Amino acid sequence: GQQLNQSPQSMFIQEGEDVSMNCTSSSIFNTWLWYKQDPGEGPVLLIALYKAGELTSNGRLTAQFGITRKDSFLNISASIPSDVGIYFCAGQPFGNEKLTFGTGTRLTIIP
Amino acid sequence: EAGVAQSPRYKIIEKRQSVAFWCNPISGHATLYWYQQILGQGPKLLIQFQNNGVVDDSQLPKDRFSAERLKGVDSTLKIQPAKLEDSAVYLCASSLHGMNTEAFFGQGTRLTVV
Repeated sequence: GQQLNQSPQSMFIQEGEDVSMNCTSSSIFNTWLWYKQDPGEGPVLLIALYKAGELTSNGRLTAQFGITRKDSFLNISASIPSDVGIYFCAGQPFGNEKLTFGTGTRLTIIP
Repeated sequence: EAGVAQSPRYKIIEKRQSVAFWCNPISGHATLYWYQQILGQGPKLLIQFQNNGVVDDSQLPKDRFSAERLKGVDSTLKIQPAKLEDSAVYLCASSLHGMNTEAFFGQGTRLTVV
């Protein structure tokens, strides 16, 4: 099955730095989601986007639904140790169809 | 509110053996999902139930995988016989109104096939 391409695959940053990651698809999606997965846990929904061009924030996290409907972006400002984990994007093509997940971006904070 | 419960947390089996996973969704959630997450990849939907009926099982390898939700509450996912490539985390999720974008995930069962 199709998987969305996430970039970068991994990131090593220092505490306090800002983080940017993106997700691209060859096909159009009507809904974009961003999840965080901690080791040994299931994914937890961070932000949901429902409209092209939409910009939505959740605390220090900001996500955008790309104008082309084929991409989405997630930014984390002033990173803290609990931001460590794997971030997944997910897209939903139409209606209530099943989600397609990205390949993930692993975020590591260097002491 | 209790979350999605899964058991066991870990399972190691030899190839060609059988294995079963159990999931209890959040109380009142009519929709239940089983996802497979291979190491280094995102989750992939295997099967979706609405109450005790199957909504989507298009990505379930039906020659070896089966799932049931007989009473519309908890569910079991079975693999028989297991292959090496079945090594993965099996995640169960549930949603209240059947919206795939509003699903809550359990902690998963990590399966290792040797």
